[in-house]
Amino acid sequence: QKEVEQDPGPLSVPEGAIVSLNCTYSNSAFQYFMWYRQYSRKGPELLMYTYSSGNKEDGRFTAQVDKSSKYISLFIRDSQPSDSATYLCAITTSGTYKYIFGTGTRLKVLA
Amino acid sequence: GAVVSQHPSRVICKSGTSVKIECRSLDFQATTMFWYRQFPKQSLMLMATSNEGSKATYEQGVEKDKFLINHASLTLSTLTVTSAHPEDSSFYICSAAGQGNPEAFFGQGTRLTVV
Repeated sequence: QKEVEQDPGPLSVPEGAIVSLNCTYSNSAFQYFMWYRQYSRKGPELLMYTYSSGNKEDGRFTAQVDKSSKYISLFIRDSQPSDSATYLCAITTSGTYKYIFGTGTRLKVLA
Repeated sequence: GAVVSQHPSRVICKSGTSVKIECRSLDFQATTMFWYRQFPKQSLMLMATSNEGSKATYEQGVEKDKFLINHASLTLSTLTVTSAHPEDSSFYICSAAGQGNPEAFFGQGTRLTVV
């Protein structure tokens, strides 16, 4: 079993839709949960990170962590064509910075 | 977020030559830097972790004599691909993390093509 599982997509949605991106992980020792956005041929850009179970909101983005289910989500409200990218979840334990990345979900928002 | 600058963004080199890629943290001190490799439509594969002033720790299967990593200061790490071959062609990305913060910030990536 992979340490982090992420549906690779592709996921196509119409502009304005709510997008739900998800990852599951296997090791309960993981404590930090990140979401990165990567445009084609660019480095990943940090969108959000969370530490504990619950929700964290930043503009149109909401990150959700459920440690009991080992399940993390990123919701994008009012999706825009400019949100079209690959979204990577990443998790790590405290103090190591050694991230485990999901495979990434390719999202396409259609105008 | 913090800024990490990676240079060059694109390089083409001849087989057998060496290529150096630089990664700089511009507005924070990076105690730890990471080097990743990414194949098309795949996720990031961690190659090595480097701490300032220490030898890099390489992941299993990564040849340390081929991928030389130097982290001489808190703002600069370099990756040198020695005796490059076409199979080394890939997208290489660095990231940097500062002491006490869990976030790591990525450079723009370097597309290496070995001909």
